[in-house]
Amino acid sequence: GQQLNQSPQSMFIQEGEDVSMNCTSSSIFNTWLWYKQDPGEGPVLLIALYKAGELTSNGRLTAQFGITRKDSFLNISASIPSDVGIYFCAGHSSNDYKLSFGAGTTVTVRA
Amino acid sequence: DGGITQSPKYLFRKEGQNVTLSCEQNLNHDAMYWYRQDPGQGLRLIYYSQIVNDFQKGDIAEGYSVSREKKESFPLTVTSAQKNPTAFYLCASSISGTRTEKLFFGSGTQLSVL
Repeated sequence: GQQLNQSPQSMFIQEGEDVSMNCTSSSIFNTWLWYKQDPGEGPVLLIALYKAGELTSNGRLTAQFGITRKDSFLNISASIPSDVGIYFCAGHSSNDYKLSFGAGTTVTVRA
Repeated sequence: DGGITQSPKYLFRKEGQNVTLSCEQNLNHDAMYWYRQDPGQGLRLIYYSQIVNDFQKGDIAEGYSVSREKKESFPLTVTSAQKNPTAFYLCASSISGTRTEKLFFGSGTQLSVL
């Protein structure tokens, strides 16, 4: 699979803040998935997107499938301490059925 | 409770030794996958299997081997040919191997070299 460009690489949050992260690819994707990984655990699926322009929410999380089909965004509203972890984007391109992953965005609580 | 079970949670390998990581799923999924995770990097695909008795190399298969004799099980062997085996290994499964499939992950095995 191809490597996705995920940014930012890391971020510090204060409780109550809204945070955003995004993922871009060089080719068109048919599916975008967002996962969260806690330390020493496997990733857990947060949101799955299947159509360009699609906007989907899961509690305080909202993700969008970009219109160009080459990007996706994840927003966390009113962050809480348990939001810390590593967030990964993943997707299927139109010419490779295997899932490609971003390098992850590490979210840490600001002291 | 349906899910994916990986064992052991921690594993240590001596020089020249082969070690096997276990992965079992009771989700009745056809497809299973092994990924390697290094700090600060995305997940890299080692091997995948879409059906029993069949498997394919992923992007970093060298130094690894797998078998898929049962639908529920997809063990990964890290051979002595893998010179840099220290990593977090994740097993995953999906209903089938189609393009729109969501992957479900186990809780991982941390492999370290003694």
